[in-house]
Amino acid sequence: AQTVTQSQPEMSVQEAETVTLSCTYDTSESDYYLFWYKQPPSRQMILVIRQEAYKQQNATENRFSVNFQKAAKSFSLKISDSQLGDAAMYFCAYCWYNNNDMRFGAGTRLTVKP
Amino acid sequence: EPEVTQTPSHQVTQMGQEVILRCVPISNHLYFYWYRQILGQKVEFLVSFYNNEISEKSEIFDDQFSVERPDGSNFTLKIRSTKLEDSAMYFCASSEGPFEKLFFGSGTQLSVL
Repeated sequence: AQTVTQSQPEMSVQEAETVTLSCTYDTSESDYYLFWYKQPPSRQMILVIRQEAYKQQNATENRFSVNFQKAAKSFSLKISDSQLGDAAMYFCAYCWYNNNDMRFGAGTRLTVKP
Repeated sequence: EPEVTQTPSHQVTQMGQEVILRCVPISNHLYFYWYRQILGQKVEFLVSFYNNEISEKSEIFDDQFSVERPDGSNFTLKIRSTKLEDSAMYFCASSEGPFEKLFFGSGTQLSVL
């Protein structure tokens, strides 16, 4: 069974600093997709970044980048130049390429200190 | 940017009652999903729907749950006989294709009393 583990229930970062959120997953598949979603207090789910497992290059979206280590089954999210609006719950998610069942981790609550 | 809309935003019901949660996915999307999130817990997959049929469902999605796309624009989740443990935020999502970016609605907070 595919599982997603986020080992940091809470993280905090100073505004303008960089923070890295950890995610590991368990799968026997070789083709899959990984995602980071942000859930602000409004509880809306917003896609931050998406990685295809067959691509070796790490995905980036402006201040957000990932460190995808396929052999280690690790998919960490780096937020650079943190802003107050980045404060939210962040969920890592996994989806096997032949299946629409997206599995989420338990989430990491990020606090940004001014 | 186009949005997934969900109604109602809050629903309170008595245990044993039927509820229908409504969603309007983004118009050109072909894949539809329901997720739920019990307060303070992870987001859990319930079901995915494509080409007018369920494509995947989780162990949570038992016989008490059903989904329907009645008119080509709405996508509904029905819970036939609600239980206390069904209290959660229910998210609808849609995507253009499989494994593409999911667009989530704002959720329906269901409270079963």
